[in-house]
Amino acid sequence: DIQMTQSPSSVSASVGDSVAITCRASQGVSSWLAWYQQKPGKAPKLLIYAASSLQSGVPSRFSGSGSGTDFTLTISSLQPEDFATYYCQQANSFPRSFGPGTKVDIK
Amino acid sequence: QVQLQESGPGLVKASETLSLTCTVSGVSVSSGGYYWSWIRQSPGKGLEWIGYISYSGSTDYNPSLKSRVTMSVDTSKNQFSLKLSSVTAADTAVYYCARDRDYYGSGRLSDQWGQGTLVTVSS
Repeated sequence: DIQMTQSPSSVSASVGDSVAITCRASQGVSSWLAWYQQKPGKAPKLLIYAASSLQSGVPSRFSGSGSGTDFTLTISSLQPEDFATYYCQQANSFPRSFGPGTKVDIK
Repeated sequence: QVQLQESGPGLVKASETLSLTCTVSGVSVSSGGYYWSWIRQSPGKGLEWIGYISYSGSTDYNPSLKSRVTMSVDTSKNQFSLKLSSVTAADTAVYYCARDRDYYGSGRLSDQWGQGTLVTVSS
């Protein structure tokens, strides 16, 4: 199975800041990488697929990059509703696997 | 508007079978191009994909759970179900049902989720 890691595990930031979250796969996953946002008590929400494509309805302040084993989710100009936990997921190799999550909270 | 809702017992005894149903509205489970997944989330193991079923009944299960998992679909009720046998405390988690579809260049992803239901395994 492909193991996914994320760093940092948590980050504190202020409204208006830019935040970058890194995801690393134990084997290459090409660009078959997605990012999800989860708020407390809610289900994950798909934000980005194919490493850099924005899901319909997701604000353009979210962006993704990377391929192979190293990926980044960037949130530019953090908004109050962006404070949440973010997960990466690979769908290149069976079974799909998720990273452990990065919590973005208010400084 | 697509909605998914999990239902089932919140407490299951160890060694018994966990049974959950997902009721779908706003889209037919018979619709081509969609698959119906179960995913769970626990503090210890994070998010774990359990498996999916298509409208035709074809399935794919996570190998780590395959020997204990059975999924089914009821097109007449627009529902799909999960059974997980011989549960232990390690199966305590929030269980989500989700709709999957294929994304070009990204594989099969869950784009609509239920709200999740907590299942606790008691000894």
